[in-house]
Amino acid sequence: AQSVAQPEDQVNVAEGNPLTVKCTYSVSGNPYLFWYVQYPNRGLQFLLKYITGDNLVKGSYGFEAEFNKSQTSFHLKKPSALVSDSALYFCAELSGGYQKVTFGTGTKLQVIP
Amino acid sequence: GAVVSQHPSRVICKSGTSVKIECRSLDFQATTMFWYRQFPKQSLMLMATSNEGSKATYEQGVEKDKFLINHASLTLSTLTVTSAHPEDSSFYICSTNPSGANVLTFGAGSRLTVL
Repeated sequence: AQSVAQPEDQVNVAEGNPLTVKCTYSVSGNPYLFWYVQYPNRGLQFLLKYITGDNLVKGSYGFEAEFNKSQTSFHLKKPSALVSDSALYFCAELSGGYQKVTFGTGTKLQVIP
Repeated sequence: GAVVSQHPSRVICKSGTSVKIECRSLDFQATTMFWYRQFPKQSLMLMATSNEGSKATYEQGVEKDKFLINHASLTLSTLTVTSAHPEDSSFYICSTNPSGANVLTFGAGSRLTVL
């Protein structure tokens, strides 16, 4: 069973507006959660992670995510979107003794000039 | 930071031939390498986990004889797609977890097109 879910295939936002890319998790206990970004024909780049501590995690390129245990969510946010933020975003969860990472289905973010 | 070099970035081959994809950790030792396959507009599917000096662990449904994985040194892991067919056309990505980081570092990916 998939441990992270991204309910939106695509998110469109106007440049300068705040953006949110949604992720929910289903693993019990203390999840290790991540966000990665993928530009066309490239590997994935790490944005941020939640392991423990503050629920609000700040990452690269002005992105942040909030771990919400009651809603089992880890939504990615940015206060002001840039056209260059347009890419494919993956939520992921780390599990298992072999450090296996399970990815969500990805959300395509389109920032409109 | 940790860098994983993946080569080739693109390869086109004829059906029936074999293709080798290499992933090298440039400034650290990678005892474990994860190999993913990504279909268009879809997520990454973990194919196998390679461990230096031992046999790779394949995920359910992945053909071991089709996708040969070798991890002969601490800095090199290879994926060989044997007797490739058009349905093997995909984007293959390697990644590893540099010691203590809990963060995957990815290669840039290899786009395989089988004619």
